[in-house]
Amino acid sequence: EAGVVQSPRYKIIEKKQPVAFWCNPISGHNTLYWYLQNLGQGPELLIRYENEEAVDDSQLPKDRFSAERLKGVDSTLKIQPAELGDSAVYLCASSLGSGTRSYNEQFFGPGTRLTVL
Amino acid sequence: QKEVEQNSGPLSVPEGAIASLNCTYSDRGSQSFFWYRQYSGKSPELIMFIYSNGDKEDGRFTAQLNKASQYVSLLIRDSQPSDSATYLCAVVYGNKLVFGAGTILRVKS
Repeated sequence: EAGVVQSPRYKIIEKKQPVAFWCNPISGHNTLYWYLQNLGQGPELLIRYENEEAVDDSQLPKDRFSAERLKGVDSTLKIQPAELGDSAVYLCASSLGSGTRSYNEQFFGPGTRLTVL
Repeated sequence: QKEVEQNSGPLSVPEGAIASLNCTYSDRGSQSFFWYRQYSGKSPELIMFIYSNGDKEDGRFTAQLNKASQYVSLLIRDSQPSDSATYLCAVVYGNKLVFGAGTILRVKS
């Protein structure tokens, strides 16, 4: 079974440029998460989707970040414009169920390492 | 602010020893607790979850939960060099999974 797929794996951009990350979850997983992980820290949730619906985007900086999950499968996270402080690893994860018990079957993708110069 | 606290380490143990990793959390109402392992440059992978007070064992790993004291721990028996990684504790607050910053474990051969 294929895992969570993310692309690109690495991205280097200059500040004020736009950037987009793509995620394809495990087949059949209806819940999709985007996390941000800074060096030496744990992942922090940016947004959680159940199917097409963003059910928790309270931590998403909406002035520059946007996300979409059309058709309830793959998802794109965008930053426009990027700032120096956005340098981090962006992790996508998916799970089969929804709600709190879905976390016991949450699988992470390999992440996208973003460097903003 | 919902918090999950972990000692950053590094925790160094000799091969074959028991490694004990600890985590405290701030919300007494939390019901679900998770331990993830993260190798350098890799993504987190779930090791164990625990919902009830007491111990839960899976192979060399034992998770321990004490809700009254608001801590959860992970014991790794017969530690191996391949166990060297960062161990992340995570707690569900409402519907959100909140991670600690992790403890670096180093197992010396």
